[in-house]
Amino acid sequence: GQSLEQPSEVTAVEGAIVQINCTYQTSGFYGLSWYQQHDGGAPTFLSYNALDGLEETGRFSSFLSRSDSYGYLLLQELQMKDSASYFCAVARGGGNKLTFGTGTQLKVEL
Amino acid sequence: EPEVTQTPSHQVTQMGQEVILRCVPISNHLYFYWYRQILGQKVEFLVSFYNNEISEKSEIFDDQFSVERPDGSNFTLKIRSTKLEDSAMYFCASSGDRISGNTIYFGEGSWLTVV
Repeated sequence: GQSLEQPSEVTAVEGAIVQINCTYQTSGFYGLSWYQQHDGGAPTFLSYNALDGLEETGRFSSFLSRSDSYGYLLLQELQMKDSASYFCAVARGGGNKLTFGTGTQLKVEL
Repeated sequence: EPEVTQTPSHQVTQMGQEVILRCVPISNHLYFYWYRQILGQKVEFLVSFYNNEISEKSEIFDDQFSVERPDGSNFTLKIRSTKLEDSAMYFCASSGDRISGNTIYFGEGSWLTVV
């Protein structure tokens, strides 16, 4: 079977850096994606890692270690608008299906 | 920026009725998907569609569900004989590349309430 684990909730202050971890168990792993979702809204693509290492996109970075079945999303210079749910999702090779984690609710406080 | 559009944004239906949710994927994309999200839960894969046929489906996507691409732009999800537990947000998504999941773009969703 497949499973993804991420913390249910993280709280940080504006301007800080926060890391959201994701561990996964799956067969046919192809890559790890990260999506942001504001309440009632569409999941919005943030980042994708197919290879080990760090991918940087503005204030957001994502890391993958395939040997550890582990990745994280790093958010820098946090802003109030970053308060949202963040989902890691596994893309499996041979298919075109994303399996989502249960999501991490990020609360950014003043 | 191109986007996936969905209609209706919200639909209330009586248990046992049929519902059709409509989507217009991004125009140059080749792969289309339906996902659902029950309130407060994670996003769940339902089905993927490529080259006018289903390429993969989950255990949720049983005989009650069907998808269709009736013309060159629309992609529909039909739910026959809706049940209370079908109440959820249904997201349509599309991508241009089968392999790299990072290019999957989601619509704003259709909120289905079955009463």
